[in-house]
Amino acid sequence: SFELTQPPSVSVSPGQTVSITCSGDKLGDRYACWYQQKPGQSPVVVIYDENKRPSGIPERFSGSNSGNTATLTISGTQAMDEADYYCQAWDSSTVVFGGGTKLTVL
Amino acid sequence: EVQLVQSGAEVKKPGESLKISCKGSGYTFTNYWIAWVRQMSGKGLEWMGIIYPGDSDTRYSPSFQGQVTISVDKSINNVYLQWSSLKASDTAIYYCARGDSESGGTTNFDSWGQGTLVTVSS
Repeated sequence: SFELTQPPSVSVSPGQTVSITCSGDKLGDRYACWYQQKPGQSPVVVIYDENKRPSGIPERFSGSNSGNTATLTISGTQAMDEADYYCQAWDSSTVVFGGGTKLTVL
Repeated sequence: EVQLVQSGAEVKKPGESLKISCKGSGYTFTNYWIAWVRQMSGKGLEWMGIIYPGDSDTRYSPSFQGQVTISVDKSINNVYLQWSSLKASDTAIYYCARGDSESGGTTNFDSWGQGTLVTVSS
């Protein structure tokens, strides 16, 4: 079955750039999106269709998707970006989420 | 403004039945897919299934097929998630989420409900 694999945790210093990866078989042939979830809150989409940002999402969030890997990049990371991040894609008629990555801003 | 408002927290005993709801507003309810997503305490997001309110077309994750039922009452803009016999392992937060595309081809979920905490304990 189709699976998406993310690193469990990533850390970054404030102001630096961080990338979170999401790996899956031929993921680059599918649309990938990314959700941010802060403690006690519902998920919010931050990147969709690989590299589009919904209105209200800061420009420091960007995405790419090629081969077997989708990547979420946060430039100039801020303390408010500390959260769990999940990638998501479709496999036939079902939705698959990655296991999630906890981003710590040190 | 698009809103998904879910029913309140539930405390149930193993073996009991339960139906939770998700009410959509601020958009044409029948034209957008609605998904259900489980999140167990301290764990990640798990997609359970999806329904298209316009024609009740429903798809389930293999992991949840036969374990839950997703339904819709489009006369009142509600989507439901139902269990016939709860287990302690069903304890989790359940989110509903709206697919982003009105014309099909949903790739992501652009609006989420606030979540419903279901606790199953004897």
